[in-house]
Amino acid sequence: DSGVTQTPKHLITATGQRVTLRCSPRSGDLSVYWYQQSLDQGLQFLIQYYNGEERAKGNILERFSAQQFPDLHSELNLSSLELGDSALYFCASNAGGSTGELFFGEGSRLTVL
Amino acid sequence: GQNIDQPTEMTATEGAIVQINCTYQTSGFNGLFWYQQHAGEAPTFLSYNVLDGLEEKGRFSSFLSRSKGYSYLLLKELQMKDSASYLCAVRDLFSGGYNKLIFGAGTRLAVHP
Repeated sequence: DSGVTQTPKHLITATGQRVTLRCSPRSGDLSVYWYQQSLDQGLQFLIQYYNGEERAKGNILERFSAQQFPDLHSELNLSSLELGDSALYFCASNAGGSTGELFFGEGSRLTVL
Repeated sequence: GQNIDQPTEMTATEGAIVQINCTYQTSGFNGLFWYQQHAGEAPTFLSYNVLDGLEEKGRFSSFLSRSKGYSYLLLKELQMKDSASYLCAVRDLFSGGYNKLIFGAGTRLAVHP
């Protein structure tokens, strides 16, 4: 158990809909990272937050947005969903220093029908 | 930008040794990570190299040559449970965002009896 909690674990929805994925980082971690992993693909970096502020953006679509709240949990919002958005969405956290690995949650598997 | 290359698939025999290579190109290298990921599960941290040389941790070792942009993960005394994807990831200080990891596509290792 990495200490990173993601909900929901599974989500099935239809094209055009909107969903919110939630992540609670490890206790004490200030940085949250979101990654997307499509079938048989590598982990694609989406966005990073540190202590409530956006730090970096990767290959995140304009239909997607995220935020980190004062209690440090984060939410990833996916809207106008398309079939190609079906993927595993991972949240990871760490303390935010210059060293140290990322700790990953179990992921949220999104299926868009 | 960054470029991380690793073989797509490898096979090996139970009890044997396997070496998974990773080459990378990055402008602000600040560490290389190896993660293990079983299908549909969260990536779990295996090793970290920031200086040249070999890091050993039980049955797993990781090597780094910064001048060559090269790393390998060595798995000894292979077990069936080692069948998984192995992800090489690089931390690049100049890619924007503090501490984020850029992942390769992963190497799927199949261990046979």
